[in-house]
Amino acid sequence: SAVISQKPSRDICQRGTSLTIQCQVDSQVTMMFWYRQQPGQSLTLIATANQGSEATYESGFVIDKFPISRPNLTFSTLTVSNMSPEDSSIYLCSVEDLQPERAQYGYTFGSGTRLTVV
Amino acid sequence: GNSVTQMEGPVTLSEEAFLTINCTYTATGYPSLFWYVQYPGEGLQLLLKATKADDKGSNKGFEATYRKETTSFHLEKGSVQVSDSAVYFCALTPGGSSASKIIFGSGTRLSIRP
Repeated sequence: SAVISQKPSRDICQRGTSLTIQCQVDSQVTMMFWYRQQPGQSLTLIATANQGSEATYESGFVIDKFPISRPNLTFSTLTVSNMSPEDSSIYLCSVEDLQPERAQYGYTFGSGTRLTVV
Repeated sequence: GNSVTQMEGPVTLSEEAFLTINCTYTATGYPSLFWYVQYPGEGLQLLLKATKADDKGSNKGFEATYRKETTSFHLEKGSVQVSDSAVYFCALTPGGSSASKIIFGSGTRLSIRP
C-alpha cells in the first residue's frame, strides 16, 4: 500500500495566522482526501483533491478557510487560514489505494497534524 | 444512505480480558468493511479489513467477521494487553469499482488496566 509522509506532525499557532500542512505520497494517486478530527470526535471529511482540478468541499467547509493545492499526483497541501481556537484539531490526509485482491479501493492515512491554536 | 454505528465508549478492561467492540452498518450493495486504530498521539492505522460476506479480517490478535445477515463487523480479541489502549474506528466504503468516500463510525475508546 501507499506510504504517506505528512508534516508538520504538530504545531502551536497564534490565532489569526495560517498553517499549511503537507502530504507527500510515495506513489501516484488520483484522489487525496483531507480530514479533520476534533478532540474526542470521529473523522470529518473536509474535501477531496484531484490533480488538475479544484478541490471538492464537503458541507460546512469552504475554500477560503481551507484552501487546498494538488500540483501533481504525489503531493497535496491543506492550509488552515485565519485560525481560531475552534480550529484546534488533528488534520489527516488520506489516499485511495488499489486493493489487488479486489477491484475496489481502500484508504491509507497520514500520521496526522495535531494543531493547537492559542 | 451509508452509515456505521459502533458501541459507545469508553470501554475499560483488565489485562487479559476478552474484548468485543460492536459495529453495525447500513449500506447499499456490497461494501468493504474496516477497523482502524488510533494510538495516543498518532494518526490512523488500518487494523484489519474484509471485502466480502463471511470474510474474516485478522491482525495482531484482533479479528472481525463480515456478517451480511446481521450487517455487523464486530471486533474481538481474546486477551487484551495494555498496549491495545487506543481509539478504534469501524468504517466502510460502499460497493462498486470506483473510488468512493470512506465512512467512519464515531470511535470507541479502549483503556486496558494492568
